[in-house]
Amino acid sequence: EIVMTQSPATLSVSPGERATLSCRASQSVSSNLAWYQQKPGQAPRLLIYGASTRATDIPARFSGSGSGTEFTLTISSLQSEDFAVYYCQQYNNWPPLTFGGGTKVEIK
Amino acid sequence: QVQLQESGPGLVKPSETLSLTCAVYGYSISSGYYWGWIRQPPGKGLEWIGSVAHSGNTYYNPSLKSRVIISVDTSKNQFSLRLSSVTAADTAVFYCARVGRFGEYSGYWGQGTLVTVSS
Repeated sequence: EIVMTQSPATLSVSPGERATLSCRASQSVSSNLAWYQQKPGQAPRLLIYGASTRATDIPARFSGSGSGTEFTLTISSLQSEDFAVYYCQQYNNWPPLTFGGGTKVEIK
Repeated sequence: QVQLQESGPGLVKPSETLSLTCAVYGYSISSGYYWGWIRQPPGKGLEWIGSVAHSGNTYYNPSLKSRVIISVDTSKNQFSLRLSSVTAADTAVFYCARVGRFGEYSGYWGQGTLVTVSS
């Protein structure tokens, strides 16, 4: 099973600032990585797939990068609606599909 | 617009079987894609339970495989989850989702349903 590790667990950022979230895989997942956003009481929403391709209707301020074992989700200028928990998920080697533990982006 | 809706009991007794159904609207399951279940214990992260292809082929998380059955009913355009021998550790919000043409990632999710395991 591929273990996904996200850091930091919590990120405190001021509105308008840049946020950088990390995700590491225990072995290479090539570019087969997705990012999700989850707000309280809501289902996750797909942001990024293929490590860097934005899903439909996702704003350009969200960008993904990386390949192999190291990945980054960048939010260029945080808006109020971006404060949420973010998860990465690998789909290179499954079953099982595996998620990281999440990074909570909170208001500083 | 693809929409998914979970349904089933919100309370299940320990050692019994949890059963949930996911109705799919706006897309015919028989047309393709994988269809999956993901759970999230209160205050914790996401765990993939398993997926079923439109063909009926199933794929399960090894950690739950002995207790899980996922099936598809194309005539009703829905798919189902059965999780047996539940304990309090199975208490979670259960989400159904469309999981991609090759089982990769979930672009469409249900709103989730909380299932509590308690006597």
